[in-house]
Amino acid sequence: ETGVTQTPRHLVMGMTNKKSLKCEQHLGHNAMYWYKQSAKKPLELMFVYNFKEQTENNSVPSRFSPECPNSSHLFLHLHTLQPEDSALYLCASSQAPRGGNSPLHFGNGTRLTVT
Amino acid sequence: KNEVEQSPQNLTAQEGEFITINCSYSVGISALHWLQQHPGGGIVSLFMLSSGKKKHGRLIATINIQEKHSSLHITASHPRDSAVYICAVFRREGAQKLVFGQGTRLTINP
Repeated sequence: ETGVTQTPRHLVMGMTNKKSLKCEQHLGHNAMYWYKQSAKKPLELMFVYNFKEQTENNSVPSRFSPECPNSSHLFLHLHTLQPEDSALYLCASSQAPRGGNSPLHFGNGTRLTVT
Repeated sequence: KNEVEQSPQNLTAQEGEFITINCSYSVGISALHWLQQHPGGGIVSLFMLSSGKKKHGRLIATINIQEKHSSLHITASHPRDSAVYICAVFRREGAQKLVFGQGTRLTINP
């Protein structure tokens, strides 16, 4: 148990569907992150939230829409995705705003397949 | 070329062998992380270091800042060590963010 819980673990959706990924952390951290991990590629940072405010959007297409209602919860809303968006989406949290000098705690990820 | 390069990309060894995974980076950093990812997808932070050496159980991580190089060693390897090991560095300048290596897939056979 890492203290970071992601749901669902697996998601299959069509290109016209709308779905949401959820992340919850029980560690009292003040920064939360969305990462994308595609096959045979390094982890890619998507979004960073620090004290509920978005501090980084790493040129992510608008079909991915993050939401951070409080420091413990993070959502990723998905709509009109493309098959190339199929990947493992990982949520993480840390104490420091940018996670550089404090460990990241990851959830188990959501394996997304877009058909 | 990636700012963080790991070698080897894949490594298969027998139980009990001493394992070394290497990470080289090309940017100034304030910290380097070693992460472990099991087949289910979840990632666990193993080490965060900015100088010298750290040890936790059978795992040892070293870093040489001048040479921009880090190694992760596993002593007396065990099949449960089979996972993907990821090196990540926190850039000190420019876009200050974590940059990840592509990972090393380690398989330990009984």
